[in-house]
Amino acid sequence: DTGVSQNPRHKITKRGQNVTFRCDPISEHNRLYWYRQTLGQGPEFLTYFQNEAQLEKSRLLSDRFSAERPKGSFSTLEIQRTEQGDSAMYLCASSPLGSTEAFFGQGTRLTVV
Amino acid sequence: AQTVTQSQPEMSVQEAETVTLSCTYDTSESDYYLFWYKQPPSRQMILVIRQEAYKQQNATENRFSVNFQKAAKSFSLKISDSQLGDAAMYFCAYPDSGYALNFGKGTSLLVTP
Repeated sequence: DTGVSQNPRHKITKRGQNVTFRCDPISEHNRLYWYRQTLGQGPEFLTYFQNEAQLEKSRLLSDRFSAERPKGSFSTLEIQRTEQGDSAMYLCASSPLGSTEAFFGQGTRLTVV
Repeated sequence: AQTVTQSQPEMSVQEAETVTLSCTYDTSESDYYLFWYKQPPSRQMILVIRQEAYKQQNATENRFSVNFQKAAKSFSLKISDSQLGDAAMYFCAYPDSGYALNFGKGTSLLVTP
């Protein structure tokens, strides 16, 4: 399967713990995006990479959130000191340069208890 | 930020019938893309159809078509000959600054036999 892959699919963590999610985009897709989706809402943009450069960050991305994309391949999203409000589905998407179509992964569902 | 409004939280359609999902958006741009994404339960989001704003002709993809009214900033999705597999959340999306997508809250489509 050469689609966007996200791991883990589900994560349950205690409040205050740190969590890290991984996204493997479609091979050779230069652009990578992270979104957050809460119940009953559409996805909300968090951050965007072009190759290894993080070019855009939403104001939703507080200081507790950090994303990296070393070497322009896979990406990680870390949330430090998790709060109950961080419970959501975290979606990753990728697209090639020059394309308007974003390909989404199945997401990582985070539950903070 | 640009806004995308989907005024129908839920819609229902019988198999083989036609249903229209509505979407309005706000932008000051003159050239842009609009998208409809489908999110089946527990599966990843996939692109259904896209429309380029400078094209007057409405986009069509098999049973899916759009009614794009640029002046009214309206972008509705028509699904013809509805099938059980069409049951999903449908999101209208508009690219915000850069390439990040701004999604509406979604419409849940139920298809009844």
